[in-house]
Amino acid sequence: DQQVKQNSPSLSVQEGRISILNCDYTNSMFDYFLWYKKYPAEGPTFLISISSIKDKNEDGRFTVFLNKSAKHLSLHIVPSQPGDSAVYFCAARIFGNEKLTFGTGTRLTIIP
Amino acid sequence: DARVTQTPRDKVTEMGQEVTMRCQPILGHNTVFWYRQTMMQGLELLAYFRNRAPLDDSGMPKDRFSAEMPDATLATLKIQPSEPRDSAVYFCASGLDGRPYEQYFGPGTRLTVT
Repeated sequence: DQQVKQNSPSLSVQEGRISILNCDYTNSMFDYFLWYKKYPAEGPTFLISISSIKDKNEDGRFTVFLNKSAKHLSLHIVPSQPGDSAVYFCAARIFGNEKLTFGTGTRLTIIP
Repeated sequence: DARVTQTPRDKVTEMGQEVTMRCQPILGHNTVFWYRQTMMQGLELLAYFRNRAPLDDSGMPKDRFSAEMPDATLATLKIQPSEPRDSAVYFCASGLDGRPYEQYFGPGTRLTVT
């Protein structure tokens, strides 16, 4: 039972354009959401997060949007750069629990 | 430059053999997590420890997997006997209690069981 879903295994975007990565979740107990970025042969690294009390969090070129009613979040990268090519994982946490539940990942390729 | 280290980076073994993967968490971190990455499931949590005590290993096949922290600087994940379906990349991550957004991942161990 996949509680965090990333339905697009891959995405290709032209350099300079906006990249939008999507994530859906089923467990209404999740209260904190994170995005991790992973390069080949490396472990995932934390990118950006959002609490359920917010609907938007911005950090430079990266913005995460949360729609609780739809149980949906998205990561926007603008403008996209070649170094953004990586696998992006969405993750979620239940309040008071250190466990993270991850999605299956989306491979983003930025086309120069 | 503090980072999580994992050994070995790659392991190829035959079905039925014992496999031991090691992780050195970042000094001072008191939580350690073991994950397995597969194409179908993404990153699955296998087990995690706080202050060396196992808190949750519900994601781990109990009959063949075991996870331990002999001391604060070493976490181990063992598979005995290994099976082809165990082939995956295994990640260790460490962090600080109460700060789940700061899980720092190691580079992973790529396990291939033939």
